[in-house]
Amino acid sequence: DADVTQTPRNRITKTGKRIMLECSQTKGHDRMYWYRQDPGLGLQLIYYSFDVKDINKGEISDGYSVSRQAQAKFSLSLESAIPNQTALYFCATSDGTGATDTQYFGPGTRLTVL
Amino acid sequence: KQEVTQIPAALSVPEGENLVLNCSFTDSAIYNLQWFRQDPGKGLTSLLLIQSSQREQTSGRLNASLDKSSGRSTLYIAASQPGDSATYLCAVHTGGFKTIFGAGTRLFVKA
Repeated sequence: DADVTQTPRNRITKTGKRIMLECSQTKGHDRMYWYRQDPGLGLQLIYYSFDVKDINKGEISDGYSVSRQAQAKFSLSLESAIPNQTALYFCATSDGTGATDTQYFGPGTRLTVL
Repeated sequence: KQEVTQIPAALSVPEGENLVLNCSFTDSAIYNLQWFRQDPGKGLTSLLLIQSSQREQTSGRLNASLDKSSGRSTLYIAASQPGDSATYLCAVHTGGFKTIFGAGTRLFVKA
């Protein structure tokens, strides 16, 4: 089984709808992240969480919210989806060990907002 | 502000060729640099991580180098194979929560 899983893998929704993307991990890491990837651009950080009680905004958090339900679960919500939120969304985890800190990624969710 | 650039954006080579992918970054204050491979539908897989104090790392046919003073890293792939076709991303970890990603190089290896 994959260490980091994301559901759904693909989602098509309409403008104005609220949707939730879910992420689960079995690596036992405290740190979790949500990124979005747009064609031709690097990954951009939406939110990050260093533990269950520590949630922080990334560089592009407007229009998004998150919930850290447990160490293993980190959900991303789009409160009112808009077409420019169409992108590939990745969840990631890391163990936060400084110079050897490695990020482990889920398979991604491809979201289309019509 | 740290910026990461990858050149070329796309590359097509015949099978068996040795190739180099380039990554440049603007601020030398980094914790580490990682090279990832991205396959459609499979997310990102870490290939090599070079700590700030290191100059290179090797794994099989892959060799990554790091020159902090010039803000450059290269990923060398020896004897390329069709299975190496993917997008390769460079990412710089600048501490805390910050990892800055390049836009990637899309590699196609022709059989």
